[in-house]
Amino acid sequence: AQTVTQSQPEMSVQEAETVTLSCTYDTSENNYYLFWYKQPPSRQMILVIRQEAYKQQNATENRFSVNFQKAAKSFSLKISDSQLGDTAMYFCALTNAGNNRKLIWGLGTSLAVNP
Amino acid sequence: DAGVTQSPTHLIKTRGQQVTLRCSPKSGHDTVSWYQQALGQGPQFIFQYYEEEERQRGNFPDRFSGHQFPNYSSELNVNALLLGDSALYLCASSSPLGKRSYNEQFFGPGTRLTVL
Repeated sequence: AQTVTQSQPEMSVQEAETVTLSCTYDTSENNYYLFWYKQPPSRQMILVIRQEAYKQQNATENRFSVNFQKAAKSFSLKISDSQLGDTAMYFCALTNAGNNRKLIWGLGTSLAVNP
Repeated sequence: DAGVTQSPTHLIKTRGQQVTLRCSPKSGHDTVSWYQQALGQGPQFIFQYYEEEERQRGNFPDRFSGHQFPNYSSELNVNALLLGDSALYLCASSSPLGKRSYNEQFFGPGTRLTVL
């Protein structure tokens, strides 16, 4: 069975600082995708960043980057220059490649960015 | 492009009742997935519809059923509501795969269901 584990229920960071959110996962598949989604109080789930398992290079999207350690099955999210608008729930998710497979989600990390 | 839309926004029902939630996918998308997100939890996959048929199903009882229409919009029906069905129900749509191995799922704002 596939699982996603987020061991940090809550985190906080000062504005302009850097924070790292942790995620570990388990899958027996070779070709899969990992995601970080952001869910602000508005409830809209927004994709932050995506990593394809067969790509060794870590994904980067502006202030957001990941540290993908395939052997360790670890997928952390680093947010640089944190902004007040980054305050939200962050979910790590996993899916197999092909046929728009279902997403398997972690429990989430609540991130508060303080002024 | 309106993106993924869901209706209603909020809904209050009592135990034993039936409910229908609706989802309109993003323009050009043909696949619709439904997720249940209990308070303080991550979403749980309910099922996915493609070409008007249920393609995948998560670990949910038969009380949860769905439908996809020719215009790709979808409904989620829940019969014999239980208190534990109270949750945020999220709909996500994605475009045809083509030669790609994965297409991003775009989410709607969700329907908050409260069962009393």
